[in-house]
Amino acid sequence: GAVVSQHPSWVICKSGTSVKIECRSLDFQATTMFWYRQFPKQSLMLMATSNEGSKATYEQGVEKDKFLINHASLTLSTLTVTSAHPEDSSFYICSAREHRVPRGAFFGQGTRLTVV
Amino acid sequence: GENVEQHPSTLSVQEGDSAVIKCTYSDSASNYFPWYKQELGKRPQLIIDIRSNVGEKKDQRIAVTLNKTAKHFSLHITETQPEDSAVYFCAASLTGNQFYFGTGTSLTVIP
Repeated sequence: GAVVSQHPSWVICKSGTSVKIECRSLDFQATTMFWYRQFPKQSLMLMATSNEGSKATYEQGVEKDKFLINHASLTLSTLTVTSAHPEDSSFYICSAREHRVPRGAFFGQGTRLTVV
Repeated sequence: GENVEQHPSTLSVQEGDSAVIKCTYSDSASNYFPWYKQELGKRPQLIIDIRSNVGEKKDQRIAVTLNKTAKHFSLHITETQPEDSAVYFCAASLTGNQFYFGTGTSLTVIP
């Protein structure tokens, strides 16, 4: 099946710094990637839809300037958490859609962000 | 946007028994309904899906049913095994974009 790789798997950063998370589709081209946030024992909350070559579409309540998304190529989307605060600590997961495969999207392994 | 509700939030069954998880959705335009299994600290894995033109789909011990009129769909796991223990998420989507997830069901299969 299609493989989506996310990096890093775990990151700890200080308050006020920025953190970049990468999401790569390894064996297919993904014109659309999705970014989710997951709190402990809770569901995946869609944050934004990332389209290659165009601006991301953010869900209501998600700050565009706080969570910068760049989808510069067909295999890479990045999420940058800017000026991170402890409340941004969470599990961030990306997924990518393989259009040739009629079975939805495939997920990265997730990034656990801890802001101290 | 789409609103997906999922019940129950926790479910314990004896090994060998069946488990049923139910979801409802709000947007009648949604036409793709995948189910994911997520083990602790790992990525969600697609286990089965169904499209709106189908009422039921089965894959070995797992089956999914869809009632478009009532806007609800269910996951059925038969002959449960301890390795089925995980969190299960349903999702609704329009043409495979913008997946909206249910709140999750933590399934425990007791040996």
